[in-house]
Amino acid sequence: QITLKESGPTLVKPTQTLTLTCTFSGFSLSTSGVAVGWIRQPPGKALEWLALIYWDDDKRYSPSLKSRLTITKDTSKNQVVLTVTNMDPVDTATYYCAHHWGGTYYFDYWGQGTLVTVSS
Amino acid sequence: QSALTQPASVSGSPGQSITISCTGTSSNVGAYNFVSWYQHHPGKAPKLMIYDVSKRPSGVSNRFSGSKSGNTASLTISGLQAEDEADYYCSSYTGSSTLWVFGGGTKLTVL
Repeated sequence: QITLKESGPTLVKPTQTLTLTCTFSGFSLSTSGVAVGWIRQPPGKALEWLALIYWDDDKRYSPSLKSRLTITKDTSKNQVVLTVTNMDPVDTATYYCAHHWGGTYYFDYWGQGTLVTVSS
Repeated sequence: QSALTQPASVSGSPGQSITISCTGTSSNVGAYNFVSWYQHHPGKAPKLMIYDVSKRPSGVSNRFSGSKSGNTASLTISGLQAEDEADYYCSSYTGSSTLWVFGGGTKLTVL
């Protein structure tokens, strides 16, 4: 059974760096083809894909946010970490992590999400 | 790549059928047969309901079906049940550096 859970601060100040952790079970990020992605949803707006990391450490980023995003993995801990620098109130959103199989074109398992508010 | 367009809300009575549309462009929905649909009950993890336009993951009811015509994909739910009340999101692979685009979501109310 694949499960994912996001964790991190619920409130960050403008200009600060956000660090979110996705802790998962039921699969390994050392398995060929496996990937974990991050998606966010600002209140009342569409979901937005942010980043993806593959088992071989290949990384993909949304072009619009690439300069501010870093995705890393810790295979031994079954965790994926997303950092977002220079946070702004427009980055207020629910952040989700999700499982993806390379060669497919969807996310088959998602976490419940974590709401991050950016406010001074 | 702009977000996909979905109606904000749809409703139907138990037993009826509803269809949710998802309109993109020739760069995403129209270009690939890689549209997926997700069901989201608030506070829970989104659930994959349809992938590759019309395929259902194991365990998803056959009351859920997907289709596509041109730049518009559709999710149809037949035999509406109270448990179907949720938010539904569509997504399309884009083949560009923005790998996926999503819709704004549709709130389904079962009357």
